[in-house]
Amino acid sequence: DAKTTQPTSMDCAEGRAANLPCNHSTISGNEYVYWYRQIHSQGPQYIIHGLKNNETNEMASLIITEDRKSSTLILPHATLRDTAVYYCIVDNNNDMRFGAGTRLTVKP
Amino acid sequence: NAGVTQTPKFRILKIGQSMTLQCTQDMNHNYMYWYRQDPGMGLKLIYYSVGAGITDKGEVPNGYNVSRSTTEDFPLRLELAAPSQTSVYFCASQIGGFYGYTFGSGTRLTVV
Repeated sequence: DAKTTQPTSMDCAEGRAANLPCNHSTISGNEYVYWYRQIHSQGPQYIIHGLKNNETNEMASLIITEDRKSSTLILPHATLRDTAVYYCIVDNNNDMRFGAGTRLTVKP
Repeated sequence: NAGVTQTPKFRILKIGQSMTLQCTQDMNHNYMYWYRQDPGMGLKLIYYSVGAGITDKGEVPNGYNVSRSTTEDFPLRLELAAPSQTSVYFCASQIGGFYGYTFGSGTRLTVV
């Protein structure tokens, strides 16, 4: 059963912020929200994760709604190298299940 | 640190052959995972391990076996290879808790 729902694809202009949404309406209280990305055929790359509070690191920001039923990954200044498939995952027991993700294309 | 190292990078097997995909990590991570990714699809969990001597099945374990005799190594064994096992295989590790996974660069396997 899919725990998250993401758009299939999105476009973003280079230099602009990329906002990737994720719905996880059945998330339980102890499940974290994780984001990974996969560039072409490489191994997935961890980006960020959070439980309740918004989080920021050198790669991105994660905004989680107060009811925790949805979240948004923000890449503040997208570059062509950010073109990838982005996966949103909810997990609490160390066996993450990946869905189809969102294919983000950053255009010049 | 080399991170997570997978070998080989590419392999072609004939139907019915067997092989072992190697995965090793040098980060002293307790948790290790094997995923497969079919073309255009997300990753599916095959097996995982929470420490040396402990393994457990994921979503798609049939046709595979694993062992975890050391913290560093988590080999994946394919017995009697079938065309349905044509895929890209990724190994990952995690220190534990709620930290992110570190993935290897993958093994592209074709069964003909």
